[in-house]
Amino acid sequence: EVELVQSGAEVKKPGESLKISCKGSGYNFTSDWITWVRQMPGQGLQWMGTIDPSDSYTNYSPSFQGHVTMSVDKSINTAYLHWSSLKASDTAIYFCGKLSGGYSSSWADYWGQGTRVTVSS
Amino acid sequence: DIQMTQSPSTLSASVGDRVTITCRASQGSFTWLAWYQQKPGKAPKLLIYEASNLQSGVSSRFSGSGSGTDFTLTIDSLQPDDVGTYYCQHYNSYSWAFGQGTKLEIK
Repeated sequence: EVELVQSGAEVKKPGESLKISCKGSGYNFTSDWITWVRQMPGQGLQWMGTIDPSDSYTNYSPSFQGHVTMSVDKSINTAYLHWSSLKASDTAIYFCGKLSGGYSSSWADYWGQGTRVTVSS
Repeated sequence: DIQMTQSPSTLSASVGDRVTITCRASQGSFTWLAWYQQKPGKAPKLLIYEASNLQSGVSSRFSGSGSGTDFTLTIDSLQPDDVGTYYCQHYNSYSWAFGQGTKLEIK
């Protein structure tokens, strides 16, 4: 059974760093791209970027380029989303998704449960 | 970048109704479109991919159509469990774009 399990909720202060994770199981982790999506409180879904776990090639949304970093650790089937300096506006739920079919121009057929990030002084 | 516009933003319908949600792309001509359902506090769930293909395990009451810039999600015989927010999403090799969402409620 394909499953994406994300790390737990985080409460941070502005300026702090944070790395959240998304662990895949039940499939060949390096075969399918991973995407990250943000959902701010009461708002819709925003695409942040995608990463190819086989070679860590990344594609960022211009809205998030330079503010977050996507990475993977193939040895433990885990994708990460990292902030070096959080802002209050980063408060949101973050979802990871697995793209179908092994290519980047695809849809997400499985999703993690979401990680709630709260940034407040 | 391609912008996706959904209508309506909110929709209230009765059990048993047929409902339709539309999604329009600002440019392009493609079938690279998916539909997702999201319930409060939950992850999105894939319903339709490539504009008209039903995801495995999804009720056949859901169907998608369209190509080019105009797409439609139809739900036949609306059930109480269909409440939630529905998003269209365009995908290509370089980017994704979500519609703003359509909140579906039961009268």
